[in-house]
Amino acid sequence: NAGVTQTPKFQVLKTGQSMTLQCAQDMNHNSMYWYRQDPGMGLRLIYYSASEGTTDKGEVPNGYNVSRLNKREFSLRLESAAPSQTSVYFCASSDLAGGRDTQYFGPGTRLTVL
Amino acid sequence: QKEVEQDPGPLSVPEGAIVSLNCTYSNSAFQYFMWYRQYSRKGPELLMYTYSSGNKEDGRFTAQVDKSSKYISLFIRDSQPSDSATYLCAMIDSNYQLIWGAGTKLIIKP
Repeated sequence: NAGVTQTPKFQVLKTGQSMTLQCAQDMNHNSMYWYRQDPGMGLRLIYYSASEGTTDKGEVPNGYNVSRLNKREFSLRLESAAPSQTSVYFCASSDLAGGRDTQYFGPGTRLTVL
Repeated sequence: QKEVEQDPGPLSVPEGAIVSLNCTYSNSAFQYFMWYRQYSRKGPELLMYTYSSGNKEDGRFTAQVDKSSKYISLFIRDSQPSDSATYLCAMIDSNYQLIWGAGTKLIIKP
């Protein structure tokens, strides 16, 4: 039982490059989330998927797109990376949507955009 | 002004001390309160979950909620070096979305 897994663990991009962050969970959870974490800012929600087939914007969606591929997988895409997107990205999942249920987090992806 | 305020620290205390971590909030509609613990280079994990005002105890950890003052606390008794981590408070708004504090970095010195 791996919980929430994320790939890659580290990535360096040049401004304008694109990439996709992958997330998978094996807990049969309905809801999945993408956060970014910056020093002094805490966790900020980028996008979430309350259930398979649905996605919604969070607090900071600009510059990102998501795909809920199936119940297990939720990917985050940066189409044209900018230095402001340098951050640590966390994927999380929960059974119930929102904060009503414990959210389980992956180990994070550390992204640097030069 | 942020909805949830949390001192980023770092807070450094000797092993065995009682630790007090705090968050204040502005939205009186918040009803559910959580504390997550995040070790360095790891994702956060849920530590405590409380609903109403008052205290909730779990081993060495006590979560306290004071809705009248819009203030929540996490107390750690007999602190251990393994408690060194960043502690994030989180609260649920009326849309069931989590609103996060910025986190307090705690260092327990052996």
